[in-house]
Amino acid sequence: NAGVTQTPKFRILKIGQSMTLQCAQDMNHNYMYWYRQDPGMGLKLIYYSVGAGITDKGEVPNGYNVSRSTTEDFPLRLELAAPSQTSVYFCASSPYRASGNSPLHFGNGTRLTVT
Amino acid sequence: AQTVTQSQPEMSVQEAETVTLSCTYDTSESDYYLFWYKQPPSRQMILVIRQEAYKQQNATENRFSVNFQKAAKSFSLKISDSQLGDAAMYFCAYGAGAGSYQLTFGKGTKLSVIP
Repeated sequence: NAGVTQTPKFRILKIGQSMTLQCAQDMNHNYMYWYRQDPGMGLKLIYYSVGAGITDKGEVPNGYNVSRSTTEDFPLRLELAAPSQTSVYFCASSPYRASGNSPLHFGNGTRLTVT
Repeated sequence: AQTVTQSQPEMSVQEAETVTLSCTYDTSESDYYLFWYKQPPSRQMILVIRQEAYKQQNATENRFSVNFQKAAKSFSLKISDSQLGDAAMYFCAYGAGAGSYQLTFGKGTKLSVIP
């Protein structure tokens, strides 16, 4: 099984540009998440989704948008990129709530640099 | 708000020896879950071990075990017979038992294994 697949692996953006980080999972998980990992820090939740058509904000949603049109896909959109968005982005999924007895399945991350 | 603190930014261990990574957390909840995730240089986040707060027995997974002290809000990870492949960043994470979709991560401990 592929698990959680993220593309691209690396990207460099100029300030003010936009891009979409792609995330797809083939495990038929209802719950999907986007986290960011800043240097020397733990992961922080940006957005999450509990199923197709349902999304909600996490701890650090400003500057991002998401959509969930299918169970498999959960893209993250960056509008007007800023240097503060330089980070490693992780997509994850789980069959049930991540805060319960349901481990997260992570993708390999996207390293984004905004200059 | 819940917080997770890992007080050791870096640690090292000789191959085949035992090492303990520390984690403390702050919560007013009685029902919650605790996790240790491993992040090797490949960047992928891998679940190492998890503990349900209502269980008094400490979780074990092969060479990995935890010392869960609920009253002290402490959750340390012990790695026995350390191997070169154990070298990685280790993140402690907290998940509320109900009503929350978010895991709260600590800042991580970088573990080096010396041959």
